[in-house]
Amino acid sequence: GAGVSQSPSNKVTEKGKDVELRCDPISGHTALYWYRQSLGQGLEFLIYFQGNSAPDKSGLPSDRFSAERTGGSVSTLTIQRTQQEDSAVYLCASSSMTSTDTQYFGPGTRLTVL
Amino acid sequence: GNSVTQMEGPVTLSEEAFLTINCTYTATGYPSLFWYVQYPGEGLQLLLKATKADDKGSNKGFEATYRKETTSFHLEKGSVQVSDSAVYFCALALYNFNKFYFGSGTKLNVKP
Repeated sequence: GAGVSQSPSNKVTEKGKDVELRCDPISGHTALYWYRQSLGQGLEFLIYFQGNSAPDKSGLPSDRFSAERTGGSVSTLTIQRTQQEDSAVYLCASSSMTSTDTQYFGPGTRLTVL
Repeated sequence: GNSVTQMEGPVTLSEEAFLTINCTYTATGYPSLFWYVQYPGEGLQLLLKATKADDKGSNKGFEATYRKETTSFHLEKGSVQVSDSAVYFCALALYNFNKFYFGSGTKLNVKP
């Protein structure tokens, strides 16, 4: 079956522009997670969705970052007025209700802010 | 707070050598512990997990034991192969799995 997909795979943007990153979780997975992986660093938790609801937004680095999930499926991570320090790989993962401790990761979106 | 610390890499071994990658954690409560692996050019995938103290997770010849007394979850393999070359991440999650904490990753290079 289809795994988690993310688009675009690569995004190059200029400082100050807005970007949208998309995640398509595995069909039927209710939980969805966004992480950021900076060069040489571990995964930094950004936000978690259960269904369309995000009970914990404390991981978002600044108010330039926002995320939404519609229909309990696709999620979009938006970064406004991008800065060079936003350059990273943004990873999405999903998990099912019956196996909440097992995350399935997408291939990531590599964001480069010039 | 909650955090995971794992040994810095890269770790370079010859084929058939014994592998240990250290991981220690700090957690409020009783976490579940995980090892994820990222092979070159691929996404992260779950390698093994343990949900309570003294549990041993195992998969593909890798093992890790949840040690509450030392707050550790070290990854071991008795005989590594070239195909094990990857980045390994230790992680924890609290009971409701709404947030995972990852270590910084340890790159393993296995030479033939």
